[in-house]
Amino acid sequence: QSVVTQPPSASGTPGQRVTISCSGSNSNIGKNTVNWYQQLPGTAPKLLIYSNNQRPSGVPDRFSGSKSGTSASLAISGLQSDDEADYYCSTWDGSLRVFGGGTKLTVL
Amino acid sequence: EVQLVQSGAEAKKPGTTMKIACSISANIFTTYFVHWVQQAPGKGLQWMGLIDPTDDFTTYTEKFQGRITITADRSTHTVYLELTSLRSEDSALYFCSVAGFGSNNTYFDLWGRGTLITVSS
Repeated sequence: QSVVTQPPSASGTPGQRVTISCSGSNSNIGKNTVNWYQQLPGTAPKLLIYSNNQRPSGVPDRFSGSKSGTSASLAISGLQSDDEADYYCSTWDGSLRVFGGGTKLTVL
Repeated sequence: EVQLVQSGAEAKKPGTTMKIACSISANIFTTYFVHWVQQAPGKGLQWMGLIDPTDDFTTYTEKFQGRITITADRSTHTVYLELTSLRSEDSALYFCSVAGFGSNNTYFDLWGRGTLITVSS
């Protein structure tokens, strides 16, 4: 049971915009930045967003992040079949790093 | 090339100890904290703990307290994860990763490929 909560699943059709939420508290998201990761089956997580809304080099601008208060969101626009994966938010709670439970995104 | 190279898969008996390695490129070894993350089959990412290789500072999540030790060998640029009293629930893929801002204020995030540990009698 993680201290930051994500919906277990999300879905969308190609071309659509989907958002994935990450809900926490004042001790974690409320006072720390949020990263987002994409994980394909059998592979290591890949960083999509850091510091709430910054994209690393090479990540398409279809991916965007935001944070407000104790919640954060990942938005994916122009959904593609390749986006079907698990997505995790990550932040800090005191000196401990925490991951959300993950959201499985299905492209219908 | 900057990379994290993890040790190979292992089969362990319940009650025994695992110790797996993460070899880190020398040019980043003391720049970032090194994290260990557990992923059980079909489950999410569980952060286990971290080490600062510059001074061996460690912090662990409560779930593994008392069973986990993370160490760093500065001579070989290797970080180790030791987990004792293994049980079937410890069967998982274990990732090492480095993350943080470098001296040029660029965020760096790199993961190993994972080490599969199977605990079974």
